[in-house]
Amino acid sequence: QVQLQESGPGLVKPSGTLSLTCAVSGASISSNNWWIWIRQAPGKGLEWVGEIYHSGTTNYNPSVKSRVTISVDKSRNQFSLTLTSVTAADTAVYFCARVLSGSRFDPWGQGTLVTVSS
Amino acid sequence: QSVLTQPPSASGTPGQRVTISCSGSSSNIGSYTVNWYQQLPGTAPKLLIYSDNQRPSGVPDRFSGSRSGTSASLAISGLQSEDETDYYCAAWDDSLNGPVFGGGTKLTVL
Repeated sequence: QVQLQESGPGLVKPSGTLSLTCAVSGASISSNNWWIWIRQAPGKGLEWVGEIYHSGTTNYNPSVKSRVTISVDKSRNQFSLTLTSVTAADTAVYFCARVLSGSRFDPWGQGTLVTVSS
Repeated sequence: QSVLTQPPSASGTPGQRVTISCSGSSSNIGSYTVNWYQQLPGTAPKLLIYSDNQRPSGVPDRFSGSRSGTSASLAISGLQSEDETDYYCAAWDDSLNGPVFGGGTKLTVL
């Protein structure tokens, strides 16, 4: 079955750069799907960060658009998230997921907590 | 402030039927289908209902969904203790040009 696994540092300093990778298994990242990053601040709801198609086409949330880059590595069957100039407001569990359509996401990765703190 | 509005909490007793509402606008629920997610503590959200009223394989038929106008609802019948967790609605939004979520509803089984 399709599985996604996030990885990356759990602690980032303020004004630093957050970098996460989502490894996809059981499916090709070049399949006819978008791949998405969603985050959840502690005790809060879900927030769309951005998404990417295997062609490299991206779509970002305007709230982070100036700071975010999502890229795809077909050779490794994975996609990545980079968020610059982070603040405490970026502290969250970051999930990656496969987009089946619009707002239908399945499966999800287990999520990884990133804390922004000095 | 979430784009989609859900009640922060809901409750019911075992065996009861409960509903969770999700209110939006013409740019999201009024134009696109709604998906529902169940999130157990410390885990990733799980797709519970898609395309307004479809259940993925493995989801009990106690869970059902509906959409009308700019609102949607999730219904859970025959409430069980394991249903006590958080539920989120989601829909595509034309104004954002991306998916939007409700703030989540914490369901308590009394």
